[in-house]
Amino acid sequence: EPEVTQTPSHQVTQMGQEVILRCVPISNHLYFYWYRQILGQKVEFLVSFYNNEISEKSEIFDDQFSVERPDGSNFTLKIRSTKLEDSAMYFCASSEEKGGTDTQYFGPGTRLTVL
Amino acid sequence: GEDVEQSLFLSVREGDSSVINCTYTDSSSTYLYWYKQEPGAGLQLLTYIFSNMDMKQDQRLTVLLNKKDKHLSLRIADTQTGDSAIYFCADRETGRRALTFGSGTRLQVQP
Repeated sequence: EPEVTQTPSHQVTQMGQEVILRCVPISNHLYFYWYRQILGQKVEFLVSFYNNEISEKSEIFDDQFSVERPDGSNFTLKIRSTKLEDSAMYFCASSEEKGGTDTQYFGPGTRLTVL
Repeated sequence: GEDVEQSLFLSVREGDSSVINCTYTDSSSTYLYWYKQEPGAGLQLLTYIFSNMDMKQDQRLTVLLNKKDKHLSLRIADTQTGDSAIYFCADRETGRRALTFGSGTRLQVQP
């Protein structure tokens, strides 16, 4: 069964550094998403991406964040100048754009630790 | 903005039924989802229900939706120890792609 994959599974970085989290969505899916889950808190939507542009973003997704589809298979989240409060589990998801359920399938997550 | 709430913890004995409850605030929610998260793993889609349905059954899972009260429940029949996990409900509002998640209910199944 096709699945969303994410790398790395765990990323440790120093405050102020830039990180890039990588995702390979399901191959025939057209919508891509990033969510995050700070330890002990709810899963929060960050951004959705369709047709090579951001289609929706939350208040969390400020200028510190950017997304890119650098090739036909990868989808990345870049976090510039990381802060301690960026430590979280980051989930990538993808969905077919069928106009119906648009069910989002999630990857296993990347745990980001900012020291 | 939209808010989704769940109780935090549920403990049941193996073989019993589990009922996990969720409430949401946005009456324009179109689809409501249940996801399962096992320790160290991602979010696994279990099932979903469209807002014009009252009930959906999928093997051991039954989803009930009370649109008037904005209440959603997930019933797991014959609960097994392998069902121990955190269960998240989530909804999607009309015209949006973003899912709004509840805080998750930790289900503990006692042998």
